[in-house]
Parts: sequence; structure tokens; C-alpha cells
Amino acid sequence: SYELTQPPSVSVSPGQTARITCSGDALPKQYAYWYQQKSGQAPVLVIYEDSKRPSGIPERFSGSSSGTMATLTISGAQVEDEADYYCYSTDYNGNHWVFGGGTKLTVL
Amino acid sequence: EVQLVESGGDLVQPGGSLRLSCAASGFTFSSYWMTWVRQAPGKGLEWVANINQDGSEKYYVDSVTGRFTISRDNAKNSLYLQMNSLRAEDTAVYYCATLSMWGQGTMVTVSS
Repeated sequence: SYELTQPPSVSVSPGQTARITCSGDALPKQYAYWYQQKSGQAPVLVIYEDSKRPSGIPERFSGSSSGTMATLTISGAQVEDEADYYCYSTDYNGNHWVFGGGTKLTVL
Repeated sequence: EVQLVESGGDLVQPGGSLRLSCAASGFTFSSYWMTWVRQAPGKGLEWVANINQDGSEKYYVDSVTGRFTISRDNAKNSLYLQMNSLRAEDTAVYYCATLSMWGQGTMVTVSS
């Protein structure tokens, strides 16, 4: 079955740039989506179709994709950005979706 | 206001059945693919199933194929997940979602 691979954790100091990667064989063909999940809350979409930002999401959140890797970048990370981040995409056929294992972002 | 509200979660014995519902409001439900996602306690997100706008296409994660059935009623703006032959590993919060909108989830516990 198809898999997306993320680092388990990323840690930065406030104001630094955090980068979270997501690798998957079908990413050259399929879009990546990124979700932020804070403790006890439902996930929130922060990036869709590789690099688009939904309304209401701060400009410090950006996304990119190259080859088999998608990247979520948080420029000038804030303490309130501490959360679990998940990438989400689909297999080559577009029928079966999968989440990455999640990355815990620590900002301190 | 866009809302997705799940219901139907409960404590059920292994081998039992449960039907989850999701009531949608504030958007044109019939225009969207809909998805069920689950999250076991302390674990990551897992895609469970999705269904296209008119219900003619349905896809499932391998671990629930043959046991779970996703369906929808566009006249009632509702999404459903029929879960049969439940196992302990199905214990999770179940979310109803589109790509951009999520409900708050409903808890399913499978235990004797």
C-alpha cells in the first residue's frame, strides 16, 4: 500500500524557519495537502494543492513540492504554531488516500 | 456557517456493529467528495473511506474493506459509515471531512 513519510519531530526557536518534509512516490503526479492539529482539536487545512494557502491561514505558512518530496515551511515560527502536522495525498490512481505519520513541531 | 457534525459513536463489543452519521450544513453538500478519517488514541490520522458526489464511487483503506460501508443521502445533507465486524483496532475518533472542512469527531470504542 502507498505510504507518505514524514520526520517524527522538528524543533525550532521562535522566529526561526521550520521545514517539514513529506516523501512519497506519487507526489510528482498528485497534490499534497497539509493539516495542522493541536492537542484535542480537529485538524485544520493549512496548505492545499502543494502550495496554496486557505483564507485565514497566516502568510508565514507556505508549501512547495519537487519530485517525490513536498515541504511545509513556516517562516518565523511562533509558539502558537506548536502542533502535529500531517501531509495527505493519494496514490497514482487517485483512489486511495493516505496521511503521513505526522510531525510534532516544537517551538521553544 | 459551515458545519459537519458527527454522531453515533459508542462503546461496542468486538464483532458488533455501529452506524456513524454526519450532518452537513452551510455548504452545497452534494457538490463535494466526502471522507471518513479516524484517529486512534495517541496515534496519527488514518484515511478510512471516501465517496464521490453522487455515491457512485467508493474507496476504502484495506483494513476496513468488506467490513465498513460508506454512503450518503444528498437530500438529507448526510454522510454515513456502517461499521460491521468491529475489532479492537477500530477504536478511534472518527471524523467526517472534506479536504478543507472537518467535524469535531465521534468516539468509537470497541471493547468487551
